[in-house]
Amino acid sequence: DVVMTQTPVSLSVAIGQPASISCKSSQSLVGTSGKTYLNWLLQRPGQSPKRLIYLVSKLDSGIPDRFSGSGSETDFTLKISRVEADDLGVYYCLQGTHFPYTFGAGTKLELK
Amino acid sequence: EVQLVETGGGLVQPGKSLKLTCATSGFTFSNAWMDWVRQSPEKQLEWVAQIKDKSNNYATYYAESVKGRFTISRDDSKSSVYLQMNSLKEEDTAIYYCTHGILDWGQGVMVTVSS
Repeated sequence: DVVMTQTPVSLSVAIGQPASISCKSSQSLVGTSGKTYLNWLLQRPGQSPKRLIYLVSKLDSGIPDRFSGSGSETDFTLKISRVEADDLGVYYCLQGTHFPYTFGAGTKLELK
Repeated sequence: EVQLVETGGGLVQPGKSLKLTCATSGFTFSNAWMDWVRQSPEKQLEWVAQIKDKSNNYATYYAESVKGRFTISRDDSKSSVYLQMNSLKEEDTAIYYCTHGILDWGQGVMVTVSS
């Protein structure tokens, strides 16, 4: 199985400051189609996960452009340019290139 | 508005069976690839199973941890996807989410396996 290593485990950020989360996969996430099925999800307290980004860098509808995704092959990053209170929760990376799909262990974003 | 509503969870003894249902609306279900994902009490997310659409011969895929015990199926006439869970183990205890392409998620249903 593809192992997704997510860091840091937790992140304490002041409102208005940037945040960055790393996700590294144990093998390339480039699929046979040439696409890279790397997603970022946010789970707010008491809610279901919500996808923010797919195909490494594409924002889902309604997701503010404060969020951005980048990376390739095995090394990926989620960045928030200016953290807002609504951004708090646990962020997960998910690879959908290889079965079984696998998640990172999560990064908890808290307010400083 | 897209909606996914899971039902069928509960408390069950080890070795027993349970069937989860996910009723959907708001998108073209017959073309959708559907997944079940679970979240353990320790909050770790684990992908469980996927079923593709008719054009992909309703192909199914499973996590190794549930292969041979769980079966994913669908009824396009009811816009619903199912997860039949047999030979349940305590480690299957989790919140089970139904998802449409990982984009849309249900509210989840709790399954507790305990004697």
